[in-house]
Amino acid sequence: GQQVMQIPQYQHVQEGEDFTTYCNSSTTLSNIQWYKQRPGGHPVFLIQLVKSGEVKKQKRLTFQFGEAKKNSSLHITATQTTDVGTYFCAGLMRSNYQLIWGAGTKLIIKP
Amino acid sequence: EAQVTQNPRYLITVTGKKLTVTCSQNMNHEYMSWYRQDPGLGLRQIYYSMNVEVTDKGDVPEGYKVSRKEKRNFPLILESPSPNQTSLYFCASSLSAGGAYNEQFFGPGTRLTVL
Repeated sequence: GQQVMQIPQYQHVQEGEDFTTYCNSSTTLSNIQWYKQRPGGHPVFLIQLVKSGEVKKQKRLTFQFGEAKKNSSLHITATQTTDVGTYFCAGLMRSNYQLIWGAGTKLIIKP
Repeated sequence: EAQVTQNPRYLITVTGKKLTVTCSQNMNHEYMSWYRQDPGLGLRQIYYSMNVEVTDKGDVPEGYKVSRKEKRNFPLILESPSPNQTSLYFCASSLSAGGAYNEQFFGPGTRLTVL
């Protein structure tokens, strides 16, 4: 079936280091969304990418959508403790408006 | 305040005892869906609804039922719960199913344990 693979599952970084998570879809997506879930919380929408090759920035976060609309990435520059949580991508299938979610990447800041 | 509410937030039940988890949104959203979240598996969609009286199966619909009689409510029904339905459940809504307005707003979650 349709899948969105997200890697890595976990990433341990020192505070101040960068963080990147990647999503790859088996099919072309209509758009892709990114969410953040803090520990014990619910997913919160960060951004949506629609156009092929689109790049969007939110302060230290940079989001990219691939040219083929099958892959996407989220890059955080100089991580802070407030960035801790799990980051999910979700691809919208054009055919049936179903959102297919990646398994998430958990960002852990090393003490 | 614009929000998605779910009840109950926590539930412990026994195998076979029918239960309903309610979900309500006050944003006049057309699209609503239910997810379950399990460690290492991310969010898996159970059912979704494009509008009143329109529901479709997601990735893992077995053992669940839904209804959408009113725009604001989208209850999740487990007719005969089993231990493999122990999970964290989220309800979500968005203004529409596609286009520029499908940001998902999530409820706080319902943690269900089936013994």
